[in-house]
Amino acid sequence: EDQVTQSPEALRLQEGESSSLNCSYTVSGLRGLFWYRQDPGKGPEFLFTLYSAGEEKEKERLKATLTKKESFLHITAPKPEDSATYLCAVQAGGGATNKLIFGTGTLLAVQP
Amino acid sequence: DTGVSQNPRHKITKRGQNVTFRCDPISEHNRLYWYRQTLGQGPEFLTYFQNEAQLEKSRLLSDRFSAERPKGSFSTLEIQRTEQGDSAMYLCASSLLYEQFFGPGTRLTVL
Repeated sequence: EDQVTQSPEALRLQEGESSSLNCSYTVSGLRGLFWYRQDPGKGPEFLFTLYSAGEEKEKERLKATLTKKESFLHITAPKPEDSATYLCAVQAGGGATNKLIFGTGTLLAVQP
Repeated sequence: DTGVSQNPRHKITKRGQNVTFRCDPISEHNRLYWYRQTLGQGPEFLTYFQNEAQLEKSRLLSDRFSAERPKGSFSTLEIQRTEQGDSAMYLCASSLLYEQFFGPGTRLTVL
């Protein structure tokens, strides 16, 4: 069964303290791995898509990487405005489905 | 604003009532998805349309749930005979290819 596990469940950082969030996945043929940011009471906001192992994407203080079993979201010198829930999702290949399978997210709190 | 829009943003209803939500996707996107999210969980897939055709439905989607996309543009999700367990955030997303862009969601509370 296709599955996504995110860790840690919650992370508290001081402003400027870099860290990484983990997303482990089991999927029958990966079409893509997606990272989203979600603020309380809002819909997920698209951040990155990664398609193959070794691929990296960057946006401001965020950098996403992908291996055959997991993805990392690295946050460099975070600011309080980076506080949010970060969701990881996978889409299986083979053309049989277009759905995203999400993890439960990592709740990030960045304190000034 | 050219993003995905959803209406209403909030809905409070009594158990047993029917409710309908609307989703307007990004205009050039032909793919539309519905998800449900409960507190502390990631979004859970409900159904998928390509143009007006409903191509995929979750096994979790009970007979009380029905979705339509009559002209391949906006979509509606109806829940009949609501139950307290239906309380959740209902999210709509649209895509051209693989990247799905989400709307703000409709928060349903069933009393």
